[in-house]
Amino acid sequence: EADIYQTPRYLVIGTGKKITLECSQTMGHDKMYWYQQDPGMELHLIHYSYGVNSTEKGDLSSESTVSRIRTEHFPLTLESARPSHTSQYLCASSEWAGYGYTFGSGTRLTVV
Amino acid sequence: AQSVAQPEDQVNVAEGNPLTVKCTYSVSGNPYLFWYVQYPNRGLQFLLKYITGDNLVKGSYGFEAEFNKSQTSFHLKKPSALVSDSALYFCAVRDMGNSGAGSYQLTFGKGTKLSVIP
Repeated sequence: EADIYQTPRYLVIGTGKKITLECSQTMGHDKMYWYQQDPGMELHLIHYSYGVNSTEKGDLSSESTVSRIRTEHFPLTLESARPSHTSQYLCASSEWAGYGYTFGSGTRLTVV
Repeated sequence: AQSVAQPEDQVNVAEGNPLTVKCTYSVSGNPYLFWYVQYPNRGLQFLLKYITGDNLVKGSYGFEAEFNKSQTSFHLKKPSALVSDSALYFCAVRDMGNSGAGSYQLTFGKGTKLSVIP
C-alpha cells in the first residue's frame, strides 16, 4: 500500500485556470520530488525539496511553483494552465538516496 | 556527473521466454542502481536495487539484475516472461561519490517498454 498520495488522479481543466496538484507522504521523508512524464515515457525533474522551506527547480524548466511548509506536504501549482501543460505529474519522496524513491500514483492533467 | 542509458525503447518477448532489459550507467564513484516498473496510469514501483555485495540481485515478481562493474551495466532479467510483465521499466543510478547539490537525486533512464506476447 502506497505511503505517498497524489490527488486528483485525473484532471481536465480549461486554459487559464489555476490548479494545485496535491502530494502528501506519511513516511516522514525529508526529500521530495516532482517529475513531469511526457507521452514518450521519459521522466523530467521539475522541482525538488530537501526539507521544510527548501525548494529548488529541477532540470526541466517549468512554469509551475511548489511549496514545502510541512514535511509531509509538497503541492505543485500552475497559476494559468495551458495545453502545453498536459502531461502526467509524478511525486516522489526519499529518506536517503540509497533506499531509492517512493512514488505516488500520479496525476494525469489535461488542459483543453 | 551521473548518467544512465537504456539503449532499447521497446523490447518484445514471447510469453514463457527469458527476457532482458538493458541498462548501462556512468558514475565517478561507486553506484547505487535501481530498477522500477510502471504500469499504465500508475506511478513507478520499486523492483530491486544494488548497493553493495552480491552482483546478482533478486527482486519482486521473479525479476533479477546483474551488476557488472567492468561493463558498467545492470541488466534486468527474468527466466520466464508473463503477459502481466508488460509495462515500462526504468533504470536509475546514484553516484555514491557525488556530494554536490544533486547528491540526493537519482538519475533515471528514458525507459524501456516491455511487451510480452501471448
